[in-house]
Amino acid sequence: DQQVKQNSPSLSVQEGRISILNCDYTNSMFDYFLWYKKYPAEGPTFLISISSIKDKNEDGRFTVFLNKSAKHLSLHIVPSQPGDSAVYFCAASGGDNAGNMLTFGGGTRLMVKP
Amino acid sequence: EAQVTQNPRYLITVTGKKLTVTCSQNMNHEYMSWYRQDPGLGLRQIYYSMNVEVTDKGDVPEGYKVSRKEKRNFPLILESPSPNQTSLYFCASSSSGFEQYFGPGTRLTVT
Repeated sequence: DQQVKQNSPSLSVQEGRISILNCDYTNSMFDYFLWYKKYPAEGPTFLISISSIKDKNEDGRFTVFLNKSAKHLSLHIVPSQPGDSAVYFCAASGGDNAGNMLTFGGGTRLMVKP
Repeated sequence: EAQVTQNPRYLITVTGKKLTVTCSQNMNHEYMSWYRQDPGLGLRQIYYSMNVEVTDKGDVPEGYKVSRKEKRNFPLILESPSPNQTSLYFCASSSSGFEQYFGPGTRLTVT
């Protein structure tokens, strides 16, 4: 049973518009969440994170929102650029998963069209 | 340059032939981990290590072994590979366990 789910396997957005990637989790003990970005033939790279004591974290064009009551987080990219085209993974940590460190979602492939 | 290296990058082998995928990091990180990536399943953790000589199972450890004799190295061993271990493998390291640095990946095919 996947504890972290990304229900949209792919998303297509026009350059300059907003990209919104969603992630849901089931384990209420998760207390730290991260987004990773992955280009083809490369390993994932860390993008942005958020602690459960916050509901928003912003870094340049990237903002992560956390809704603990809904067990939902989202990544907003504004404005989207063609170079943002990649697979995005959300990950969670905490609770009895602490020793295991990170549980990843299945990924969402973002395509930003020029 | 801070990096995690994996070798080989690509490997095709046959069922039952033992293989080792090496992983090395130059960031003096205590935490290292192995993942496999399969379509729709994201990255699933195989094994992790909190420090030298300390290893523990992740979500999908069956069929794999690891060792951590030195801080910088964390090899993944498949004693008797099977076709269901065909996958893309990533090694990662971290100082905290959260913001992990990943290697470039090893694509393994077992026939």
